[in-house]
Amino acid sequence: GDSVTQMEGPVTLSEEAFLTINCTYTATGYPSLFWYVQYPGEGLQLLLKATKADDKGSNKGFEATYRKETTSFHLEKGSVQVSDSAVYFCALNSGGGADGLTFGKGTHLIIQP
Amino acid sequence: SAVISQKPSRDICQRGTSLTIQCQVDSQVTMMFWYRQQPGQSLTLIATANQGSEATYESGFVIDKFPISRPNLTFSTLTVSNMSPEDSSIYLCSVPDREAFFGQGTRLTVV
Repeated sequence: GDSVTQMEGPVTLSEEAFLTINCTYTATGYPSLFWYVQYPGEGLQLLLKATKADDKGSNKGFEATYRKETTSFHLEKGSVQVSDSAVYFCALNSGGGADGLTFGKGTHLIIQP
Repeated sequence: SAVISQKPSRDICQRGTSLTIQCQVDSQVTMMFWYRQQPGQSLTLIATANQGSEATYESGFVIDKFPISRPNLTFSTLTVSNMSPEDSSIYLCSVPDREAFFGQGTRLTVV
């Protein structure tokens, strides 16, 4: 079945540091890939997505590129802020919307001033 | 994009009781999903609710424990039955609309 593996947290960085959160997946066919963010005390929000190989999703300074050859969708940001502190979830959908999402375990990111 | 309202936002319940969670969407959708997020864990799909048919449950989840209603294309309920402390989680509904949209979640604590 489908699965998503992402780096365990917590990840602690200083403000303005470069961020990478690794995500790899196993899926049948060509899934759509997503990054969701959950800020403290809030619901889940879509951060960015990519629907086919070599697509780059971007939002709020975050980027991730759909790499079919390495089955990866790593999340990056060039300069993090304290307000980026949250839990980040990598997810995939291989059913074209007809199935629910498969989520990774989440990575807790802590940015220190 | 879909707007999803979920209630209650949180509740503290006694073990052995049941809680019904409501999910209202601002547009008609064919499918609605219910997820559980246990403390410190990722989201796990409980079931898919289609209007006019029985919900489809994922492995490890059964209808007697998590009965679901889907009376129309904008509304669904999930009941957590005969609760135990292990049911303490955040429960979320979601609709697929080019991307998955999520309600704010219901934070359930069973004591």
